[in-house]
Amino acid sequence: AQTVTQSQPEMSVQEAETVTLSCTYDTSESDYYLFWYKQPPSRQMILVIRQEAYKQQNATENRFSVNFQKAAKSFSLKISDSQLGDAAMYFCAYRSVMDSNYQLIWGAGTKLIIKP
Amino acid sequence: DGGITQSPKYLFRKEGQNVTLSCEQNLNHDAMYWYRQDPGQGLRLIYYSQIVNDFQKGDIAEGYSVSREKKESFPLTVTSAQKNPTAFYLCASSIVAGGLGWTEAFFGQGTRLTVV
Repeated sequence: AQTVTQSQPEMSVQEAETVTLSCTYDTSESDYYLFWYKQPPSRQMILVIRQEAYKQQNATENRFSVNFQKAAKSFSLKISDSQLGDAAMYFCAYRSVMDSNYQLIWGAGTKLIIKP
Repeated sequence: DGGITQSPKYLFRKEGQNVTLSCEQNLNHDAMYWYRQDPGQGLRLIYYSQIVNDFQKGDIAEGYSVSREKKESFPLTVTSAQKNPTAFYLCASSIVAGGLGWTEAFFGQGTRLTVV
């Protein structure tokens, strides 16, 4: 069974600086999707960025980028120029391409604190 | 606007009562999911459904029931058999895509259930 691990329960960063959130996963599959979701105080889960495992190029969405290391099974999220609105829980998630159940496997989350 | 609507936002239940949480989506998504989130933890899957009139148990289905009579609706009933129902409940939906299509989940704003 696949698992997702976020080893940092909490991270803090000064406003305007860069922070990296870690995520590792365990799978025997070669094709899958990886996601980072943000959960602000409003509690609604918002998709931040996604990565297809068969693509070697790291995904980027404005200030958010990932470092996808397939062999190491690592999927870290880099937030550049941190803003106060980035303060939230961040969850890493995995989805198998072959899993007909289309379930997401979730990490436990990392709380990101932005210091003004 | 397309999206997922959960209601109510806050719900209070007396001991021994059944309560039903509503989830409606107008995204024309095939798959719908219910997750439970406890403080400081990630998401745990309660039930999911890929098509109308069919649903599957997730990791923590005991004490819960669902129905999927319409594509747009996936209500969750928290029964009196659920011993610790106080939690935040999130509903999500996604496209059931074959091949390598994107299958990220879209979320509602959640329902906070409290037993009084």
